[in-house]
Amino acid sequence: GDSVTQMEGPVTLSEEAFLTINCTYTATGYPSLFWYVQYPGEGLQLLLKATKADDKGSNKGFEATYRKETTSFHLEKGSVQVSDSAVYFCALSDMAGGGNKLTFGTGTQLKVEL
Amino acid sequence: NAGVMQNPRHLVRRRGQEARLRCSPMKGHSHVYWYRQLPEEGLKFMVYLQKENIIDESGMPKERFSAEFPKEGPSILRIQQVVRGDSAAYFCASSPPGDNSPLHFGNGTRLTVT
Repeated sequence: GDSVTQMEGPVTLSEEAFLTINCTYTATGYPSLFWYVQYPGEGLQLLLKATKADDKGSNKGFEATYRKETTSFHLEKGSVQVSDSAVYFCALSDMAGGGNKLTFGTGTQLKVEL
Repeated sequence: NAGVMQNPRHLVRRRGQEARLRCSPMKGHSHVYWYRQLPEEGLKFMVYLQKENIIDESGMPKERFSAEFPKEGPSILRIQQVVRGDSAAYFCASSPPGDNSPLHFGNGTRLTVT
């Protein structure tokens, strides 16, 4: 079945550092790929998405490129802020049964310090 | 434009009791998804419903768990005879019709079984 693998956290960075969170996937078809962010005590918010190979999703300074050849969707940001501290989830969508069922990775906690 | 509303935010039940979790989707959304997040884990898909229909319940435990999305009113996730292992955060997400529509998540219900 489909699966998503993320790097384990927590990832601790100083403010203005460069961020990379690795994500790889396995899927039988051609899924859409997503990054969601979860702030403490809240639900998940869609951060960015890409629907086909070589697409780049971007939002709030975060970027990720859909790489079919390496089955990856790594999240990057050039300069993190304390307010970026949260848990980040990589996910793919499975359209096989209709609808938009998501398969999530286990999440990577990011802590940004001054 | 209210988002996905879940209630209660926190629910405490003793072993053997019933838990009822409610989810009101965003206005105009007819698709509802339930996910469970166990401590230190990612979200796991449970069930996907449209109005009055269960479309995919492949992630639901075979016993004690049920879900509905009636023509009127919120979607309900019901857990009968709760056990300690049911303690988790339960998230609801909704989307409008369309296979590629993004999911909007609620803030979750945190169930604690004592």
